[in-house]
Amino acid sequence: GENVEQHPSTLSVQEGDSAVIKCTYSDSASNYFPWYKQELGKRPQLIIDIRSNVGEKKDQRIAVTLNKTAKHFSLHITETQPEDSAVYFCAASKNTDKLIFGTGTRLQVFP
Amino acid sequence: NAGVTQTPKFRILKIGQSMTLQCTQDMNHNYMYWYRQDPGMGLKLIYYSVGAGITDKGEVPNGYNVSRSTTEDFPLRLELAAPSQTSVYFCASSWLSGANVLTFGAGSRLTVL
Repeated sequence: GENVEQHPSTLSVQEGDSAVIKCTYSDSASNYFPWYKQELGKRPQLIIDIRSNVGEKKDQRIAVTLNKTAKHFSLHITETQPEDSAVYFCAASKNTDKLIFGTGTRLQVFP
Repeated sequence: NAGVTQTPKFRILKIGQSMTLQCTQDMNHNYMYWYRQDPGMGLKLIYYSVGAGITDKGEVPNGYNVSRSTTEDFPLRLELAAPSQTSVYFCASSWLSGANVLTFGAGSRLTVL
């Protein structure tokens, strides 16, 4: 089955700097790659997703890139702000299959 | 439109007791999931369902059972609770397939002593 690895497990940045979180997946048939943000004590919520027919997707300060050949995808957050501090999860899925999550990255943005 | 509703929010169990975590969604979603999240850890899939009457194991199914008699409900049963089942449990649902946005419930915090 699908296996998703995520790095780093923790990431500390200064406010205004960029943050990058990387994930690799094992099943070459996976075609859907979402990113979820979980604030302390809250439920995970989708922040951005990408499908395998697209190489990059942007939404304001957040972008995701996908390299199907290497089977990895990354989350990029620019101009980080303290409210970006949270745990971020990547995930992978095929159309008719379950969604498998990575192990999470705790991002801390220091003012 | 309540989304995904989980009950109870908190529960303390003694070793060997059994209980059911309830999950209901009102979005007519086909797919439903149960994940567990241990402290400081990621989300592990316990069971999932692609529609009423169909369930399948995820990554960590041992010690749990599920049923899906209706589209709306997906209860998770813990038999013979063990300390290793202390965790936060999240129910989630998605429309049409696993390759769509998951809507999560607020979570159920379970402690087994």
